[in-house]
Amino acid sequence: AQSVTQPDIHITVSEGASLELRCNYSYGATPYLFWYVQSPGQGLQLLLKYFSGDTLVQGIKGFEAEFKRSQSSFNLRKPSVHWSDAAEYFCAVGGSGFQKLVFGTGTRLLVSP
Amino acid sequence: SAVISQKPSRDICQRGTSLTIQCQVDSQVTMMFWYRQQPGQSLTLIATANQGSEATYESGFVIDKFPISRPNLTFSTLTVSNMSPEDSSIYLCSVTPRSTGELFFGEGSRLTVL
Repeated sequence: AQSVTQPDIHITVSEGASLELRCNYSYGATPYLFWYVQSPGQGLQLLLKYFSGDTLVQGIKGFEAEFKRSQSSFNLRKPSVHWSDAAEYFCAVGGSGFQKLVFGTGTRLLVSP
Repeated sequence: SAVISQKPSRDICQRGTSLTIQCQVDSQVTMMFWYRQQPGQSLTLIATANQGSEATYESGFVIDKFPISRPNLTFSTLTVSNMSPEDSSIYLCSVTPRSTGELFFGEGSRLTVL
């Protein structure tokens, strides 16, 4: 069965510091991988996705993620965090019929001054 | 992209009542999906709403509790029936407008059941 693990429930980062959010997945075939962000009281917004090709994908708001098949990981990174990045981040995986996504439990990012 | 509107955005309901959530999309889509996000939890797929056929429910969700309608390619409703406090959640509608694999979400309907 497919699953997604986000081992960090909360992360606090100083504004301007770099960020890495971890995501590990389990999927029997080629995965389609996604990162979504949810700001308080808002719906989910797609940050980036990986289907195939270059394993380093660029997304919106300066985020990037790297797909590492050998590690079953799809970690999200940002070189310099802004206070507006404080939100909940969800990693998700899908496959054939990839619209049906399995989500991780989320990582709440707090940004300190 | 797709613009998804959900109504109501939030509601407070009494135990034992039912509430219908509407989802309107600005373009025609083949499949629409309903997710639930319980407080402090991740998203769980409830069902896939197919136009012209019955919805397909995920394990743990049944039609009697969560009846779904899909009268056309831009609209769907989810009803939460006979509500209990455990049904307090955010319910999100989502669509994939084209074969891009991108799942777009509405802003959700936050239900509180007293």
